[in-house]
Amino acid sequence: RKEVEQDPGPFNVPEGATVAFNCTYSNSASQSFFWYRQDCRKEPKLLMSVYSSGNEDGRFTAQLNRASQYISLLIRDSKLSDSATYLCVVNPPMLYQLTFGKGTKLSVIP
Amino acid sequence: GAVVSQHPSRVICKSGTSVKIECRSLDFQATTMFWYRQFPKQSLMLMATSNEGSKATYEQGVEKDKFLINHASLTLSTLTVTSAHPEDSSFYICSARALGGDEQYFGPGTRLTVT
Repeated sequence: RKEVEQDPGPFNVPEGATVAFNCTYSNSASQSFFWYRQDCRKEPKLLMSVYSSGNEDGRFTAQLNRASQYISLLIRDSKLSDSATYLCVVNPPMLYQLTFGKGTKLSVIP
Repeated sequence: GAVVSQHPSRVICKSGTSVKIECRSLDFQATTMFWYRQFPKQSLMLMATSNEGSKATYEQGVEKDKFLINHASLTLSTLTVTSAHPEDSSFYICSARALGGDEQYFGPGTRLTVT
C-alpha cells in the first residue's frame, strides 16, 4: 500500500460546483496532515492543516478520520482560480519529512 | 510571514558543469530545510533533509557526492548539483520548517535544464 494515496483525478467541474477530494494514508501513527495546492510549474503552497476535529477556512473544509486513516477536502462554490493540483500531505511520526500524495488535478470550467 | 526564497529561478547549464541553488528563509529561522525534486507530472520526491550545522540526510537512491548540501546558517541552505547530466534536468524545490512548527513552507523552485 502506498504511503499516501489520492483520487487519481482529473476532476473537471463547472464554476459553483462542490467538489470533494479523498486521501488515505498507511502509517496509523502519523501525526500531522495537510492539504497543499500546486499550480502548474509552481511550488506547493500550504492550503490548510487538517485537525482531528475538522476545520473550515472559507469555502474549504478538511476532515480527518484517524480510524479509517482517511483525509478529505471539500471545496464549495468552486472558482476558476481553484484550478490546481491538490496534494494530500502526511507527516509520519518521529520524522520531520513530509510524505506527499501524487495529487489530484482540479479544473474548474466556466 | 513564512517566506522562502530560492535562487536562481531558472538555470540552463552544459553537461558536466556544476550548479548551485540557494534556499533562504526570509522571515523565520529554519532549523530544518528539505530539498525536493519534481519531474513533469510526478509527485515531489524528497532528496535530502538538512539540519543547520550538521550533515544532510539523503534519501535512498540520492547520491550525496553528486548533490552537495550545505546548511550553513538558520536561514540558508544550498544544493549544488555537481557534474550535471541531462537526466538531472528537473524542478528543484526547497522547503523550510520553522523551529517548533509542523508546516513546511516552500521556495518558488528552480527549473534546471542541462543541455
